[in-house]
Amino acid sequence: EAGVTQFPSHSVIEKGQTVTLRCDPISGHDNLYWYRRVMGKEIKFLLHFVKESKQDESGMPNNRFLAERTGGTYSTLKVQPAELEDSGVYFCASSQDLGAMETQYFGPGTRLLVL
Amino acid sequence: RKEVEQDPGPFNVPEGATVAFNCTYSNSASQSFFWYRQDCRKEPKLLMSVYSSGNEDGRFTAQLNRASQYISLLIRDSKLSDSATYLCAERYSSASKIIFGSGTRLSIRP
Repeated sequence: EAGVTQFPSHSVIEKGQTVTLRCDPISGHDNLYWYRRVMGKEIKFLLHFVKESKQDESGMPNNRFLAERTGGTYSTLKVQPAELEDSGVYFCASSQDLGAMETQYFGPGTRLLVL
Repeated sequence: RKEVEQDPGPFNVPEGATVAFNCTYSNSASQSFFWYRQDCRKEPKLLMSVYSSGNEDGRFTAQLNRASQYISLLIRDSKLSDSATYLCAERYSSASKIIFGSGTRLSIRP
């Protein structure tokens, strides 16, 4: 079974540019999460989709970040315009809703560097 | 104060040793707890889930102390391949965000 995949694996952009990250969850997983780890800090939650609906977006840093999950399959996270502090590793995770037994499976991450 | 606190280490122990990590959490209502393992430049991978007082999986034992709000991870007979960063995490309820600690770095030497 294929795991969570993310594209691109790395992205280097200049401040002010736009970047779009993509996440393909494990097939059949309704829950999709975005997390971010900036250098020297812990992994922090950004938002949570259930199918195509945003269940919790309390971790989104500001309105420069836009996440979508059209059709409830893959998700995109767009940063526009990117700032230096957006640099970090962006992880996507997916899960089936199994109640207390839910396990989130993480993708390999996208390493974003804003210069 | 961080919601999940861990000693960052690094812990440097000889192969075959037993090593233990502790992690404290601040939200007494949290339902589930986890230990993830993260190798350098890789994604976190679930090592153990801790739903009740604790559980054991081979050389790994996780324990939960709700009264003192901490969880621990014990690794027995450590192997070189156990070298990694170990992330403690909590979740308030099912199908919700995971809150991670900063991680504890472990290095096993021959």
